[in-house]
Amino acid sequence: DAKTTQPTSMDCAEGRAANLPCNHSTISGNEYVYWYRQIHSQGPQYIIHGLKNNETNEMASLIITEDRKSSTLILPHATLRDTAVYYCIVRVWGNYGQNFVFGPGTRLSVLP
Amino acid sequence: KAGVTQTPRYLIKTRGQQVTLSCSPISGHRSVSWYQQTPGQGLQFLFEYFSETQRNKGNFPGRFSGRQFSNSRSEMNVSTLELGDSALYLCASSLSSGNEQFFGPGTRLTVL
Repeated sequence: DAKTTQPTSMDCAEGRAANLPCNHSTISGNEYVYWYRQIHSQGPQYIIHGLKNNETNEMASLIITEDRKSSTLILPHATLRDTAVYYCIVRVWGNYGQNFVFGPGTRLSVLP
Repeated sequence: KAGVTQTPRYLIKTRGQQVTLSCSPISGHRSVSWYQQTPGQGLQFLFEYFSETQRNKGNFPGRFSGRQFSNSRSEMNVSTLELGDSALYLCASSLSSGNEQFFGPGTRLTVL
């Protein structure tokens, strides 16, 4: 089972910031938080990942709370092309090692 | 740098047949993971290969198998196809096991 919980869906107005929350209350001290997104019928696209410090790249910013039990992905100026399913992932231990376990994600709709 | 490529992109098979899907990772990436995506179950981890060895395995029956070659290219095979095997099969590559993964476009398999 995924170690994260996310809202099922969110809307955001074009040009505004999209803030996507994620809860990962059982995260361990050395586990990273990863974010991916999947635009309809395409392979998931890596966005960003972090351990404890806030991270920023050309696509997004990742804010991780001090207790690391939750995080927020921020798309600073959402466009229509950002409409996608966004996955927040913490790797879990499988039979032989750590796996990426994808939950259902958040379906973000950017509205004109 | 070229991304992850998967062949074929679309495939139609009948029950009982077997199928082989191919994945070429990003140059320099040594880890290849496979996922199955269906509307009902979402994205599920199949297995991961690193340096020609299976490192991690998800909860799929033995009909699903894979291998990795010395050039890091990977194949997965599904034998005795069932209707429920109809899905988008995604391959992801990473520099090493546990690093961020980069996904290919997927192979859409339809079993009739």
